[in-house]
Amino acid sequence: DAKTTQPTSMDCAEGRAANLPCNHSTISGNEYVYWYRQIHSQGPQYIIHGLKNNETNEMASLIITEDRKSSTLILPHATLRDTAVYYCIVRGRGGSNYKLTFGKGTLLTVNP
Amino acid sequence: DAGVIQSPRHEVTEMGQEVTLRCKPISGHNSLFWYRQTMMRGLELLIYFNNNVPIDDSGMPEDRFSAKMPNASFSTLKIQPSEPRDSAVYFCASSLRGTVETQYFGPGTRLLVL
Repeated sequence: DAKTTQPTSMDCAEGRAANLPCNHSTISGNEYVYWYRQIHSQGPQYIIHGLKNNETNEMASLIITEDRKSSTLILPHATLRDTAVYYCIVRGRGGSNYKLTFGKGTLLTVNP
Repeated sequence: DAGVIQSPRHEVTEMGQEVTLRCKPISGHNSLFWYRQTMMRGLELLIYFNNNVPIDDSGMPEDRFSAKMPNASFSTLKIQPSEPRDSAVYFCASSLRGTVETQYFGPGTRLLVL
C-alpha cells in the first residue's frame, strides 16, 4: 500500500470548514483513498473513500487531485463532536488488499 | 442495524490469567478483523477471517494469542497466559467483503494486565 503523509495536528473553529490534507505521492492506479476517524475512546469510524473523482456523503467531501498524489477531506461545518484523529489510508481492492494500514493521522481539534 | 458488538468493554486481569475477548460482527458481513491499538505501535491488524476461515494471522504476536470464528456471528480472541505488555485496546471490525468493502469497527475492549 502507498504511504501517506498527514499533518500531526490542526485546529478549526466551530462552524467553519475543516480541510484536512493528505499526501500519497506513490499511489498506484488501482488504489483507493480512504478516510477514517477515531474519536477519543471509540473505534475507528469510516468517513468516505474515492478513487479519482471527488466524492461527497452526509459526513464529508473528498477532493482528490487530478494526478491523485494528494487529497483533502472537507468537513463543511465542523462541530465540537468532530474533534478526533483523522486517518488517510490508501488501499487497493481485491486480491490480498484486506489490510487497512493506519498511520499516525491528524488530530483535529474543533474549538468553540 | 446494530453495529459490531464487542465484550467486555473493559477487562482488568492479573499476569498469567487467561483473557477472552468476544466479537459479534454486523449481520451479513463475511469478513472479520481483529486489531490492537497501543500508544507505541498504533493500530495493528492481528488476524483476518473470511467466511469463518482464518486467512492471515501473521499479525498475531505469539503463540499466547489465538482467535476463533466458530460461526458467522461470533469470534473470540484469547490470550493465555496474559502479560502486562498485552495491555491495549482490542478492536474487532467486519465488512461485507474483506478485500473490497468498507470495514466497520466495534467500540473496542480496553485490556489492562497487571
